[in-house]
Amino acid sequence: AQTVTQSQPEMSVQEAETVTLSCTYDTSENNYYLFWYKQPPSRQMILVIRQEAYKQQNATENRFSVNFQKAAKSFSLKISDSQLGDTAMYFCAWGNQFYFGTGTSLTVIP
Amino acid sequence: EPEVTQTPSHQVTQMGQEVILRCVPISNHLYFYWYRQILGQKVEFLVSFYNNEISEKSEIFDDQFSVERPDGSNFTLKIRSTKLEDSAMYFCASTRSNYGYTFGSGTRLTVV
Repeated sequence: AQTVTQSQPEMSVQEAETVTLSCTYDTSENNYYLFWYKQPPSRQMILVIRQEAYKQQNATENRFSVNFQKAAKSFSLKISDSQLGDTAMYFCAWGNQFYFGTGTSLTVIP
Repeated sequence: EPEVTQTPSHQVTQMGQEVILRCVPISNHLYFYWYRQILGQKVEFLVSFYNNEISEKSEIFDDQFSVERPDGSNFTLKIRSTKLEDSAMYFCASTRSNYGYTFGSGTRLTVV
């Protein structure tokens, strides 16, 4: 069975600091995609970053980057220079039809 | 930037009533999805739709649920006889490939 685990239900970070959200997954497939989605209080689902499993290079989008460890089935999200607008739930998701983790609630403290 | 549009943003319905949630995916997207999120819980896959038919569905998507793409633009989710436990946020998503889904802003369904 495909599972996605986010072991940090809540995290906080000081504004301008760096925070890392962890995600692990379980699959027997070799080619797949991984995603981080942000869900602010408005409850929209906003794509933050995506990673293709066959690419060894970690994806980066401005202040957001991932540490993808395929052998360890780990896909963590690093947010640099945290901003107040980063406060949201963050969901890690795997695969074609999306298996989501349970989310990490991130609060950026002024 | 193209958007996935969902209407209504909030729907209140009586238990046992039928409800239709509407979505307009991005026009050149080929794959369409419905997800739900019960308040405070994770996002759960309901169904995927491609080439005018269901390609996959989860255990949640039982006979009470159906999807339709009636006119090549709208993508609807129908719940035939709503139950209290159907209260949730329902998200539509679309994609052209596996390269990242675009989600709509959701419909909050409240069954009373």
